[in-house]
Amino acid sequence: TQLLEQSPQFLSIQEGENLTVYCNSSSVFSSLQWYRQEPGEGPVLLVTVVTGGEVKKLKRLTFQFGDARKDSSLHITAAQPGDTGLYLCAGAIFNKFYFGSGTKLNVKP
Amino acid sequence: DVKVTQSSRYLVKRTGEKVFLECVQDMDHENMFWYRQDPGLGLRLIYFSYDVKMKEKGDIPEGYSVSREKKERFSLILESASTNQTSMYLCASSRPPGETYGYTFGSGTRLTVV
Repeated sequence: TQLLEQSPQFLSIQEGENLTVYCNSSSVFSSLQWYRQEPGEGPVLLVTVVTGGEVKKLKRLTFQFGDARKDSSLHITAAQPGDTGLYLCAGAIFNKFYFGSGTKLNVKP
Repeated sequence: DVKVTQSSRYLVKRTGEKVFLECVQDMDHENMFWYRQDPGLGLRLIYFSYDVKMKEKGDIPEGYSVSREKKERFSLILESASTNQTSMYLCASSRPPGETYGYTFGSGTRLTVV
């Protein structure tokens, strides 16, 4: 059983659609990070959220940290083929990170 | 461009061989980590180090050891490779505290043990 559960596991959508992926846990995290990983590469950090209820925007990506700091969501507006990849969330407890198994997103042109 | 470099992208080794995976970072980061990534299991922490000569076990250290003789280099050693160690291995570094600054990952080494 993983500390962080991500859903959905797979998502295939058309260019221009909106989507939300979720990262849930019963544990409280001091911070939560989202990474994107492209095939054959290592994950790349997108954002860090620290405060319960915090919302951060990165162009068309909106990240939210739950009020209780147990969950997070990533919303993508008007998805583009360049958004294709594996999205990983990672929660920190005592400076140690626990990763979810990821959401594999495919955006079709 | 700052980066973490892993010495090999692909490796094929035989069961029982001793395998060395090398990782070098050029960011003067104190913290370095080794993860393995398997489908459906996410990233699992093998070993980490917060300083030269220092090492700590992660969640799945069995069958692995590490070496950190210099700040920029963190090596993962498979003492006697087995087929269940076939995986993608990812090295990462961070400036403390990692939970604020996040990790910089290498491109990974895909190891196949036959």
